[in-house]
Amino acid sequence: NAGVMQNPRHLVRRRGQEARLRCSPMKGHSHVYWYRQLPEEGLKFMVYLQKENIIDESGMPKERFSAEFPKEGPSILRIQQVVRGDSAAYFCASSPRSQGVGNTIYFGEGSWLTVV
Amino acid sequence: QKEVEQDPGPLSVPEGAIVSLNCTYSNSAFQYFMWYRQYSRKGPELLMYTYSSGNKEDGRFTAQVDKSSKYISLFIRDSQPSDSATYLCATTYGGSQGNLIFGKGTKLSVKP
Repeated sequence: NAGVMQNPRHLVRRRGQEARLRCSPMKGHSHVYWYRQLPEEGLKFMVYLQKENIIDESGMPKERFSAEFPKEGPSILRIQQVVRGDSAAYFCASSPRSQGVGNTIYFGEGSWLTVV
Repeated sequence: QKEVEQDPGPLSVPEGAIVSLNCTYSNSAFQYFMWYRQYSRKGPELLMYTYSSGNKEDGRFTAQVDKSSKYISLFIRDSQPSDSATYLCATTYGGSQGNLIFGKGTKLSVKP
């Protein structure tokens, strides 16, 4: 899973600031997924993107959160006006195609957001 | 009722023991079942993947799915201290395959 690159690995933000998390998928992968892992909770799906398209955002909070995967560059998960409850590990995953079930979805090492 | 239930443990076993990790799920429409291993402060790593009911073996790991009882298991034979990690079960319908539904994870410690 080292092929999915996430940065920053650790990010500290004060309440009310913005957090931007970046994800570069594995080479040859065009599908990106974002997950959130809250303390003592399992991984929760947030959003599924292809280049320039949001395919499934059923897990995204309705406010303050947005995601994009532009034609060029990494996917970005943006959290505006962060609150303490946003403190979590955010994982990006990628796959080469939407039919890649389970066995072809690779996770990155995660970005740990701490809101103080 | 949560879609995937998993006992968080912690589970502590001596080196060499057989480990049994289990999950139950609520929706009979789930078709694909995965087990991930996650070391502390690391990303999940896929261990096993199965489709529908049955067993699948890979080295010391065996994954088992019983769709009639909505029960999935992971067995680890000859457990090693390096197996100490959190084990996550996951499932999906098969439509939007990246929308995996995870259990909370079971923390395993294998003592030398």
